[in-house]
Amino acid sequence: DAKTTQPNSMESNEEEPVHLPCNHSTISGTDYIHWYRQLPSQGPEYVIHGLTSNVNNRMASLAIAEDRKSSTLILHRATLRDAAVYYCILNSGYALNFGKGTSLLVTP
Amino acid sequence: NAGVTQTPKFQVLKTGQSMTLQCAQDMNHEYMSWYRQDPGMGLRLIHYSVGAGITDQGEVPNGYNVSRSTTEDFPLRLLSAAPSQTSVYFCASSRGTDTQYFGPGTRLTVL
Repeated sequence: DAKTTQPNSMESNEEEPVHLPCNHSTISGTDYIHWYRQLPSQGPEYVIHGLTSNVNNRMASLAIAEDRKSSTLILHRATLRDAAVYYCILNSGYALNFGKGTSLLVTP
Repeated sequence: NAGVTQTPKFQVLKTGQSMTLQCAQDMNHEYMSWYRQDPGMGLRLIHYSVGAGITDQGEVPNGYNVSRSTTEDFPLRLLSAAPSQTSVYFCASSRGTDTQYFGPGTRLTVL
């Protein structure tokens, strides 16, 4: 399975943008890039996904490099409620391969 | 829609006991799966099902059984609990390979 590499942790100030990087140099042509997040003591929740083009939704934006070997999840204005572990996952089938993700700390 | 529900929320077992973790979804999703999450780690896939009557093993299936007799339910059975099975268990469902929806989890402690 293709793997992803994310920083263990990142910190942001409230109301500032946050850019969460993910490297996936062995991505295949059929792998979608998915982002999930897990708030403390909760199950993971879907954030966004994309294949080749940049994507926007009400929660975040996903910027995908032209060669698809990396991507960045962008939270436009971080809030305290965005403090969570963010997982970047390559998905070409049913199973999601969760790594350790990036723990985002948001400070007031 | 209730989404994905899991029961119980918490459970304490003694080594060697058996139990069933319940998972149900009301979204008519054909795909359901079970994950476990150990402290400080990501989720690991235990078993999954692509439809009623069809199940398959994930990354860490040993010590667990599943069956899928209906679209809505996907119970996970611990045959003989061991301390190494102390973990948080999450059930998920999706329509095909689309977005997965996760339940709130069951926190299991095996003494």
